[in-house]
Amino acid sequence: QKEVEQNSGPLSVPEGAIASLNCTYSDRGSQSFFWYRQYSGKSPELIMSIYSNGDKEDGRFTAQLNKASQYVSLLIRDSQPSDSATYLCAVKKSGGGADGLTFGKGTHLIIQP
Amino acid sequence: EAGVTQSPTHLIKTRGQQVTLRCSPISGHTSVYWYQQALGLGLQFLLWYDEGEERNRGNFPPRFSGRQFPNYSSELNVNALELEDSALYLCASSLYRGTDEQYFGPGTRLTVT
Repeated sequence: QKEVEQNSGPLSVPEGAIASLNCTYSDRGSQSFFWYRQYSGKSPELIMSIYSNGDKEDGRFTAQLNKASQYVSLLIRDSQPSDSATYLCAVKKSGGGADGLTFGKGTHLIIQP
Repeated sequence: EAGVTQSPTHLIKTRGQQVTLRCSPISGHTSVYWYQQALGLGLQFLLWYDEGEERNRGNFPPRFSGRQFPNYSSELNVNALELEDSALYLCASSLYRGTDEQYFGPGTRLTVT
């Protein structure tokens, strides 16, 4: 089983709709969860972090975490063509303090005008 | 506030050569992380430096090494380059050891021929 799994896509969503991106992870002790957006040829940009079960909202973005199901999701409301990118799910595995993150391979999101 | 900076932007090396990549973290950030993003493999954690010391390394051979300077900038050295080392090398920084949010620089694209 891969440590962090994402559907590679492409996920095609009409402009103005809600895009739903999903991620599962294998380390039950994982503590910190992140969503990065990466445009083609660019570096990843941190868009959301979530540390406890439930929802966290920031503008058009909502991150959802369910540690019992080992599942993280990202919802993008009112999707715009500029949201077209690869979305990377990242997890910091169990253990105190900072450390390197484990990334999924990303979901390619296409917002259709 | 300036972000993470990396140099050079692009690099072409021959198999067997050695290369040094450089990274300056966001002002005030003390932790520096190095990642490799190779085609088809996703983002993989290489090394983590904090307060001048190597704190952890990913599953990479010893020919990948580095250091962190008193001003928190960092170098990544790769010896005996192999064709499969061709990748985007990304540096990220975080505020201090106890925080998990990492911010990436633009990366160095290394091509090994």
